[in-house]
This record gives sequence, structure tokens and C-alpha cells, in this order.
Amino acid sequence: NAGVTQTPKFQVLKTGQSMTLQCAQDMNHNSMYWYRQDPGMGLRLIYYSASEGTTDKGEVPNGYNVSRLNKREFSLRLESAAPSQTSVYFCASSTGYQETQYFGPGTRLLVL
Amino acid sequence: RKEVEQDPGPFNVPEGATVAFNCTYSNSASQSFFWYRQDCRKEPKLLMSVYSSGNEDGRFTAQLNRASQYISLLIRDSKLSDSATYLCVVNPRSSGNTPLVFGKGTRLSVIA
Repeated sequence: NAGVTQTPKFQVLKTGQSMTLQCAQDMNHNSMYWYRQDPGMGLRLIYYSASEGTTDKGEVPNGYNVSRLNKREFSLRLESAAPSQTSVYFCASSTGYQETQYFGPGTRLLVL
Repeated sequence: RKEVEQDPGPFNVPEGATVAFNCTYSNSASQSFFWYRQDCRKEPKLLMSVYSSGNEDGRFTAQLNRASQYISLLIRDSKLSDSATYLCVVNPRSSGNTPLVFGKGTRLSVIA
């Protein structure tokens, strides 16, 4: 099992460009999450999804959109990237909200 | 009080030392707790779960104090490889379905 996979691993964008971060899990988990992590800020929840077709806003949703394409995949889209969105983005999944989360390796994004 | 609070450290300890971290949580209704480990530039990984009165796994012991609303992580006989950031994670068990809450982490450096 690959667990949670994320693509791309690294990305450099110019301000105003758009991109989609991809996440997939092969553990048959119901719940999926997107976090960003900045130095000194810890993990901050952007969006989460209890199941296919449902999404909810987390702590820092502004500037992002998500799609729960199916049970396996949960994508994060930046419509117009800003330098403040420079961060490391982690995707995670779990059987349910209250259960252990398993993380992908992260995407390092630099917005110039 | 923040939902989950940790001393950010860093804790600098010599090899072989015993070190303990505390984590406080605000919701007295919280039912389950986890410790995660995050190595530099890597994703967080589950270290251990803490469900009732505590949990032990080799050199690692986690304790729960419901009356004072804190959990602790004790590491005995510290190894260089224990150097990492340790994240306290709490199941908030609030009225709705909400994801786990992650602390900002405590950084540990074990020195030779």
C-alpha cells in the first residue's frame, strides 16, 4: 500500500497563477484533510471532508477550494496564488474524524 | 485557553537523559489523545495513542490527567534519533463532527 500520496512534491508559482494539489489514499478511509504548515505556526487545517461529496471549511480556508472527487482523491486548488500561500501543504486521511490521521509526504509551494 | 497548548521548546538534552513534555487541552469532554512525531521537513507520523490512564511503548510513556486536563510524554534513555518535533493531538468531542486538533509541537534535540 502506498498510503497517502501527494503531487507535486515541489512547485514554484508566480503571483496570480493557479494550480491544483493532488492527494490520493489507498486505505479506504472516509475522511480526508488538507493542512498547511508554516514555521512557528504548526499545522493549520484548510479544508476537510467526511466522505465523498462533502467538504467543510477549516481554520484557514480563504484563497483555497477543494474537491472530493471520489473516496480516494481530495484535491486542493489555489485559484490566484499569493506570496502568503507559500507553505508546506500536507494531505491526510483517516477512517473517521476521531481516528488516527495518516499524512502524505507534503507539497512545498513557493509563490513569488 | 487554546484548545491544545504545548511548550514549543526547544528541549536540548544529552543522550541517555529522560525528558518529559506536557500538553494541556481546553475541552474537558475530550475523549482520546495522540502523540505524533514530525522529523525535519517530513510529514507527521503517529507515535502513540493515549486512551485511558496512559500508554507505554518501549522507552516512551504517555500519561493522561483528566482532572488537570493535560497529557504528558516521557522519553527515557534518549537517543540521537529521538530528535524531532512532538505534536500533541486531541479529539475535541464537541457537539458536531469535528476533526482532531493538533498542537504546535515541542521540539526536542538530543545531543551527543
